[in-house]
Amino acid sequence: AQTVTQSQPEMSVQEAETVTLSCTYDTSESDYYLFWYKQPPSRQMILVIRQEAYKQQNATENRFSVNFQKAAKSFSLKISDSQLGDAAMYFCACISGANNLFFGTGTRLTVIP
Amino acid sequence: EAGVAQSPRYKIIEKRQSVAFWCNPISGHATLYWYQQILGQGPKLLIQFQNNGVVDDSQLPKDRFSAERLKGVDSTLKIQPAKLEDSAVYLCASSLLRVNTGELFFGEGSRLTVL
Repeated sequence: AQTVTQSQPEMSVQEAETVTLSCTYDTSESDYYLFWYKQPPSRQMILVIRQEAYKQQNATENRFSVNFQKAAKSFSLKISDSQLGDAAMYFCACISGANNLFFGTGTRLTVIP
Repeated sequence: EAGVAQSPRYKIIEKRQSVAFWCNPISGHATLYWYQQILGQGPKLLIQFQNNGVVDDSQLPKDRFSAERLKGVDSTLKIQPAKLEDSAVYLCASSLLRVNTGELFFGEGSRLTVL
């Protein structure tokens, strides 16, 4: 079984500032993958960033980076230089073993101009 | 490259009626998924197809939900009869490989309201 917990239902950030979205997970598998997905108001969800559990180096994609703390089972997303287009729901997700992709409940990010 | 297409975008029905949603995945993607996203929750997998075979339908309420993927391309998801708690957005996604090694591509979803 696997669980994904996002404890921040809503977050806000000033344009050009940095924001961190939190996520914790639990899985009994040793091999797993973690994801952050973005869902803008149009509802087409897109992949933001992916982390393989066996990699110690934190994944980065332009302004998006993760802080992967394997022992703590924590996987936070940092968005630098926030832009208006970053406003969306952000979902943390995990897949492990034979399980399918399991999503958290999401964090709604508001970007203030 | 065309994305995942879904229709209809919106559907309003009364309880006990039936509804069908259609999905056309990205060309060449072997794996197709249907997710249910209830307001305020993350998407929950209903069914996964690999080509035209079912890989996982453990979360599909089979007494009222059915899905098929004819010829391993398009897919339809049907609800009959609908209940109030079926009100949700139904997301279709596809991937080239198994999801744990690839990226899921989602459609815009079909929003169902059951009155």
